Amino acid sequence: DADVTQTPRNRITKTGKRIMLECSQTKGHDRMYWYRQDPGLGLRLIYYSFDVKDINKGEISDGYSVSRQAQAKFSLSLESAIPNQTALYFCATRRGASTEAFFGQGTRLTVV
Amino acid sequence: AQTVTQSQPEMSVQEAETVTLSCTYDTSESNYYLFWYKQPPSRQMILVIRQEAYKQQNATENRFSVNFQKAAKSFSLKISDSQLGDTAMYFCAFMKRNSGYALNFGKGTSLLVTP
Repeated sequence: DADVTQTPRNRITKTGKRIMLECSQTKGHDRMYWYRQDPGLGLRLIYYSFDVKDINKGEISDGYSVSRQAQAKFSLSLESAIPNQTALYFCATRRGASTEAFFGQGTRLTVV
Repeated sequence: AQTVTQSQPEMSVQEAETVTLSCTYDTSESNYYLFWYKQPPSRQMILVIRQEAYKQQNATENRFSVNFQKAAKSFSLKISDSQLGDTAMYFCAFMKRNSGYALNFGKGTSLLVTP
C-alpha cells in the first residue's frame, strides 16, 4: 500500500457541485500540503498544514478550503467547482526535520 | 517572492547520450534547498536529486548529477547514459522557509529519450 494515498484517483464533476479530495498518510509526518498541477504551469501550492490545529494558505487558495481531521488526514474541498479548477491535484507530506517530501499518486479532477 | 525558471519546455536525447536540463531561480535567502523531480507518464512525483545551498559540492545520484552555481542562481541537471525510462517531465523545485518549507516548482521540461 502507498504511504500517501489520495482518493479518488480520477473524478468528473459538474460545475457548481461541492467536491472533496482526500489524502491520508501512514508515514507519521506532521506536515501536509496540497498542490495543483496544470499543463505548462508546474505545481502550485494551495494549502499546507503543520498539524491538526494549523492551516495556512498557499499561493492559489481562492476557491478551495481544507480540513486536517487528524495528523494522518488532510482533505481539500471545492465548495462550488468551476471548469478552471480542472487539474491534477497532489497531496504531499514531510517530516518536520526533513527536506524530503513524499507525494500521493495524484487526483485528476475534471469539472464540466 | 521566489521564482523558478525552466527555459526548455521540451527536449529530446538519444539513448545512451547525455542531456542537460536548465533551471534558474531567484531568491534573497542564503540557506535553501533545490530539487529535481521526475514525473513519468504514471504521474507519480519521484525525487531525483537534492542539493543543499550551503554545500559547495555538486550532488550526484548514479547517472544524475547537478551543476549548482550559487552566485549565478543556476541549478542544472545532467543525465548521463540516457535510458528510455528517463522519458518524463522534469521539474526543478526550490524549498523556501516562508510558506512552511513548501516546494516552489518550475514549469517543467518534457524529456523524450529516443532509441
